[in-house]
Amino acid sequence: DAGVIQSPRHEVTEMGQEVTLRCKPISGHDYLFWYRQTMMRGLELLIYFNNNVPIDDSGMPEDRFSAKMPNASFSTLKIQPSEPRDSAVYFCASSSGGAQYFGPGTRLLVL
Amino acid sequence: SQQGEEDPQALSIQEGENATMNCSYKTSINNLQWYRQNSGRGLVHLILIRSNEREKHSGRLRVTLDTSKKSSSLLITASRAADTASYFCATDANYGQNFVFGPGTRLSVLP
Repeated sequence: DAGVIQSPRHEVTEMGQEVTLRCKPISGHDYLFWYRQTMMRGLELLIYFNNNVPIDDSGMPEDRFSAKMPNASFSTLKIQPSEPRDSAVYFCASSSGGAQYFGPGTRLLVL
Repeated sequence: SQQGEEDPQALSIQEGENATMNCSYKTSINNLQWYRQNSGRGLVHLILIRSNEREKHSGRLRVTLDTSKKSSSLLITASRAADTASYFCATDANYGQNFVFGPGTRLSVLP
């Protein structure tokens, strides 16, 4: 298995633009997680899905953030409109319960 | 408030020495996990220890769990330069797969 795949790996955008981050989990995993990592706040769980259903989105910062999982092999995290404080590394992870397998992350810079 | 916190924040040792990192948490857990993150990369799962276990080994890694003290330790024996990374503990919150990551310990192994 190729592991968790994220795209793009790097994204530079201007404030106000829409940003879409993509994730392909490991086949067979029924949990998918979106995290954000910054120097100031560390690693934060934004939302996680079980069998494509959002279970806990209490970590989503505000209405500008939305996440979807239309099928077992694909998820998106959208920020609209983006702000400079959204600059961070966004990780997707998947699991079958227990150990989580992380993707390489998307490094987002909002100017 | 953060569930798990690692100690120390940073640790520098010579190659061949042992490295010990600690994690303290506040509320009861079902299990605790340790992860490693190399600079610029995603997190890699190391060990999961359940609340009814006291010690687990994996290669040069040894994890202990003391639920009475709400603490865990990660010992890396005979450290190598390649062990240089940040190490995180993750504890499950009150429910589901919502794991909370601590701020991490930055380990530097000097050749």
